[in-house]
Parts: sequence; structure tokens; C-alpha cells
Amino acid sequence: GAGVSQSPSNKVTEKGKDVELRCDPISGHTALYWYRQSLGQGLEFLIYFQGNSAPDKSGLPSDRFSAERTGGSVSTLTIQRTQQEDSAVYLCASREDPGTEAFFGQGTRLTVV
Amino acid sequence: KQEVTQIPAALSVPEGENLVLNCSFTDSAIYNLQWFRQDPGKGLTSLLLIQSSQREQTSGRLNASLDKSSGRSTLYIAASQPGDSATYLCAASTDSWGKLQFGAGTQVVVTP
Repeated sequence: GAGVSQSPSNKVTEKGKDVELRCDPISGHTALYWYRQSLGQGLEFLIYFQGNSAPDKSGLPSDRFSAERTGGSVSTLTIQRTQQEDSAVYLCASREDPGTEAFFGQGTRLTVV
Repeated sequence: KQEVTQIPAALSVPEGENLVLNCSFTDSAIYNLQWFRQDPGKGLTSLLLIQSSQREQTSGRLNASLDKSSGRSTLYIAASQPGDSATYLCAASTDSWGKLQFGAGTQVVVTP
């Protein structure tokens, strides 16, 4: 595709429900990243994929968070048993390889009520 | 741990003035540094990427410099326009996997 695509753009969910956020990177980009942007916390790294493998999951805040990537392309970030503190904008980025320019999607705004 | 700082947090300039945005980082062992723009409610738009071996990078009215020894990068925007109003973020890539450490951003308002 022309850019990094994320869906949904907005998601409102009830506390305790599971949610899935999707990222479609730029075609051919092997490196994919998830970040979270929340008020007062700035942008924080969550997880890095190289191909379908995730060598760095150090930013995942708890075991309620997981992510996968299939076919070296689409990635899904899953949050189980959502909590109010999970409310944030979740951003996905991709790079052709780790040393090149990072391109970001428009983000998914998650609101947990 | 790498710390990235952007000062000031907010800046207002009249149209036509040059903008100077500062970014500092604590660990000089960076792979590259990237500048982004973020409009309200939107994602990040890449402006410039400077590799660690480079001293500066230019694109149109934008020029970014990098001084690893002093831990600083500066983004210059010439002849600012109201459309340049946005939050500008710098991010340092501190490992071979390309993980980015972001500053908190500088919110810029260009008044007509």
C-alpha cells in the first residue's frame, strides 16, 4: 500500500473486554513496531518485529498485551481484559530495514470505559 | 538509558520568521535521528532522517543538523507559514533494531 494503514481508527470498549488492533505496513518493509501515545507519558515503545519474529517485546506493559505478525506483513496487537489505563493512541510504524526511515500509521485511539 | 529532551515545550512565532527547534540526547551512541511532525488527532509524519555519520540533512525549507559529540540535533524551518503549526518530535534510534526513543515534542504555532 501507499502508507502504513491501521484499523480501526477509533475503538471504544468496556473495561474487561478484549480488543484487537490491526496494522498493515508498507509493502516490503521487514521491520514493524508498535508504540503507545498517552497523555503525560509521551510515545513509548511496545514491541518490534523483524519478519514474523519479535526479538524485542520489552515495552509490553503486562501479560495482557500480545502481538503477532503473519506473512511478514500484517500485525495484530491484542489487549486482553482491558483496563482504563490502557486508553491511549496505539501507533504502528514500519521500516524497509531497521536503519532506514520509519513511517507511521494514523493510529488507533482506544478508549476503555 | 537514552533520554531525549526537547526544549521549549511550546513556541509561537509570527509568519515569515525562521523556526529553530532543539533536541538533545544523553547517549551519543545513536544509529540515526529522525524528526517528525504530528498534527492534532493524527499520526506522525516523517520530516527528515539523519544517519549517525551525517552532520546535516535538508529537504525544501527544512534543515536538520546532528552533533553527536554534544548530544544535539536542531531542526530549522525557514520562512515559517501558518501551515507549519504542529507538534514536532525528534526520536533517536539507539539500537540495531531501530527502536525509537522520543522526546516530548515542541508545539509550534505560527501566527498570520
